[in-house]
Amino acid sequence: QVLLVESGGGVVQPGRSLRLSCAASGFTFNTYAMHWVRQVPGKGLEWLAVIAYDGVNKYYADSVKGRFTISRDNSKNTLYLQMNSLRVEDTAVYYCARQTLPAAIMDHWGQGTLVTVSS
Amino acid sequence: DIQMTQSPSSLSASVGDRVTITCRASQDITNYLNWYQQKPGKAPKLLIYNASDLETGVPSRFSEGGSGTEFSFTISSLQPEDIATYFCQQYADLPLTFGGGTKVDIK
Repeated sequence: QVLLVESGGGVVQPGRSLRLSCAASGFTFNTYAMHWVRQVPGKGLEWLAVIAYDGVNKYYADSVKGRFTISRDNSKNTLYLQMNSLRVEDTAVYYCARQTLPAAIMDHWGQGTLVTVSS
Repeated sequence: DIQMTQSPSSLSASVGDRVTITCRASQDITNYLNWYQQKPGKAPKLLIYNASDLETGVPSRFSEGGSGTEFSFTISSLQPEDIATYFCQQYADLPLTFGGGTKVDIK
C-alpha cells in the first residue's frame, strides 16, 4: 500500500536550517508529483510547495519562496524540503502528500513531522 | 490567491443527524474542489475530489454538491466515527488553498 514517512523534524533556533525527508513506498514514486503542506497545531492547513514527477518544475507559496526548496531523489524514492532562515512562525507539523496523476488532488499523506522554531 | 471560506467553523450534532458544511471560493473554481477529513493527531484523508467524486472506500453517507463558487459537503447520517475536522481545498490555481476547517462533534 502507499506509504509516506516524513522525518527530520525537531527543535531549531530562528535563522537556522533544517531538511525534512519523506520516504515513499508502495507506488511508482517517479511518476507522481509531490507536495509539502504544513499545519500549525490546532489550526488550518497551508500548502507550501509542489514538485513535478521528474523534479523539473517546482512551485512555492509566497510565504516560503526564497527560503524553502523542494527537491526529490527518484533513485531513493525520497522527497525533501530544505528549510532555511527559519522563523518562529514556521513552527508546524509538516506533511508530504502524493498528487494524483491527472490533477492537484492530494490522495495520500504522510503522518507528519513536527518542526519547532524557538530560541 | 483564491480564498476559501468555510462555514461553520464548528458544529455539534446528534448521531443520525444530517450535517452540512459550506465552502465558498473567492472566484469561480468550476469543480476543482476536494474535501478532506482529519481526525485528531492524524493526517488529512481525502474523501471527495472533483467536487463530487467519492474516494475509494469512503462511505456513501458523505456527499458533495455545487460548482463555481458555492459548494456544500453533507454527511447524511452522522456516525460517531465521523468526529473530525473537515477541510475544503481548491486546485483551480496555485497556490493551492484550504478552507479554515469545520470541527464536527457529537452532541
